[in-house]
Amino acid sequence: QKEVEQDPGPLSVPEGAIVSLNCTYSNSAFQYFMWYRQYSRKGPELLMYTYSSGNKEDGRFTAQVDKSSKYISLFIRDSQPSDSATYLCAMSGGTGFQKLVFGTGTRLLVSP
Amino acid sequence: DGGITQSPKYLFRKEGQNVTLSCEQNLNHDAMYWYRQDPGQGLRLIYYSQIVNDFQKGDIAEGYSVSREKKESFPLTVTSAQKNPTAFYLCASSNRGNYGYTFGSGTRLTVV
Repeated sequence: QKEVEQDPGPLSVPEGAIVSLNCTYSNSAFQYFMWYRQYSRKGPELLMYTYSSGNKEDGRFTAQVDKSSKYISLFIRDSQPSDSATYLCAMSGGTGFQKLVFGTGTRLLVSP
Repeated sequence: DGGITQSPKYLFRKEGQNVTLSCEQNLNHDAMYWYRQDPGQGLRLIYYSQIVNDFQKGDIAEGYSVSREKKESFPLTVTSAQKNPTAFYLCASSNRGNYGYTFGSGTRLTVV
């Protein structure tokens, strides 16, 4: 079993829809949770960063962490065609240098 | 502007050749990483380095080599021992702690 599980998609939605992207994980030591967005043939860029449980909102994006269920989510409101990309979850824990553990990514397609 | 520069963007390798991918960062980050990305397989860690003149193997180090002679630079050599080198290669950097990675824009390597 992988340490981080993420549905590869693709997830196809119409413009304006609310998108929900999710990851589950098995390591209870993870405390730092991130979402990266990767456009085709580009490097991933950090989209959202969350520590421990709870919600964080940034514009149309909301990151949610439920440590009791080992489940994290990224919600995109009013989705746009420009949101079409692959979204990777990543997480880490502990002190010092911490290697991120990545999900495989979910490909999102937003149609106009 | 601070960031990570990968070059070249596209690289073609003949069978039996060694090729070197460049990665330079001006973020003053201590740690640097090399990932390989294949369709549907997510990011796989090749090598990482937390300090100059020291580096560790990742999950798929066979057929690759690295050096870390300067803090800013972490070149990756794909040797002829790597039997299936065609992939998208990503370099990343980070500082101590759980603050996530900054990625370069990637190098697409194709065997011809």
